Amino acid sequence: QSALTQPRSVSGSPGQSVTISCTGTSSDVGGYNYVSWYQQHPGKAPKLMIYDVSKWPSGVPDRFSGSKSGNTASLTISGLQAEDEADYYCCSYAGSYTWVFGGGTKLTVL
Amino acid sequence: EVHLVESGGGLVQPGGSLRLSCAASGFTFSSYSMNWVRQAPGKGLEWVSYISSSSSTIYYADSVNGRFTISRDNAKNSLYLQMNSLRAEDTAVYYCATISGLTFDYWGQGTLVTLS
Repeated sequence: QSALTQPRSVSGSPGQSVTISCTGTSSDVGGYNYVSWYQQHPGKAPKLMIYDVSKWPSGVPDRFSGSKSGNTASLTISGLQAEDEADYYCCSYAGSYTWVFGGGTKLTVL
Repeated sequence: EVHLVESGGGLVQPGGSLRLSCAASGFTFSSYSMNWVRQAPGKGLEWVSYISSSSSTIYYADSVNGRFTISRDNAKNSLYLQMNSLRAEDTAVYYCATISGLTFDYWGQGTLVTLS
């Protein structure tokens, strides 16, 4: 149950796009199409942004998009806005009703 | 509206025990599997435990297996986490979360457990 690998930080200017990667193994990211992404503002609970690799929950803008290739999943945020500044975590199902999270990526909007 | 409220956190000595609760409302609790996820101060999220809607299926992360016990009372719309033999590394905010498909979709605000 090793954590998925995410970059510690990414940054971008308003209006630009950024991509956050999430690398696992064939036992988690590569083995299942059940990767989700969560946004967390300081002191707040995580909020679901993307599920099943590339699906949007109700209310999440389509500026957020997800994809996967092999053992690496990605979250792309286009048209960056100030309120997008937060920590982002990926999560993958790892079989037998167990899950593994990434270490988190801090997004800074310049 | 889905509402999850955790309680029971606090300061506890290493080796001690604590029982966390999660009160659910706004959805049919008895139809949903539930989870506990924790976050150490300044650190990332860590899945802790899963329980199916009927309590027939339960799983734990290796880091807590044998020390923590998840349970639920569908009549009281409540989820629990009994934590025994607590260690310094168990210091964290503990969140309860619903699961839809294989995704954590709704989260509570968390309760802080501090080992000292």
